Amino acid sequence: DAGVTQSPTHLIKTRGQHVTLRCSPISGHKSVSWYQQVLGQGPQFIFQYYEKEERGRGNFPDRFSARQFPNYSSELNVNALLLGDSALYLCASGKQGLDTQYFGPGTRLTVL
Amino acid sequence: GENVEQHPSTLSVQEGDSAVIKCTYSDSASNYFPWYKQELGKRPQLIIDIRSNVGEKKDQRIAVTLNKTAKHFSLHITETQPEDSAVYFCAASSASNTGKLIFGQGTTLQVKP
Repeated sequence: DAGVTQSPTHLIKTRGQHVTLRCSPISGHKSVSWYQQVLGQGPQFIFQYYEKEERGRGNFPDRFSARQFPNYSSELNVNALLLGDSALYLCASGKQGLDTQYFGPGTRLTVL
Repeated sequence: GENVEQHPSTLSVQEGDSAVIKCTYSDSASNYFPWYKQELGKRPQLIIDIRSNVGEKKDQRIAVTLNKTAKHFSLHITETQPEDSAVYFCAASSASNTGKLIFGQGTTLQVKP
């Protein structure tokens, strides 16, 4: 799990703005999953990408989108930010993604 | 819908005692059950996992048991140490083959020296 990296570490935005979060998986892993963790709760699944295609999508609005690049890194985009989008956004890496997943350090997003 | 219930929400034990955290899942097709430890301000760290074809798995002081019939699984930590203090999350794989993990609400474990 030490190999999953995310950037930036922290981010402050205002309502209505757009944000892009980035993730690099462990070398050799082909799946990237995105989770939202609100303070005091467990992570909530947003997306999983495997081999550059969307494999799964959680119960999040269309303002949330993602993609995976040929080097298996990934971006999570959130448009029209709301106060309720303030959370820790976690990226998880897996070989195939259907079981063992290792989390990155997360990006702390604050929306003012 | 898919759901994982976790209990207790907080647990306080004396150093050296055992700690047990229990989870119940809703979808009988779930087949993978990981446990994560999350220290304050840090990433969730995978500490142990179990698949549905196994009833018990142990790794040093940590063990997980799975009862598929009852749809519940438990984390057992023996000989607890202050550094075990953290929030522990259980999770279950979604039956939808999307790679989705469904997490419990978390248990805050405090180990008193």
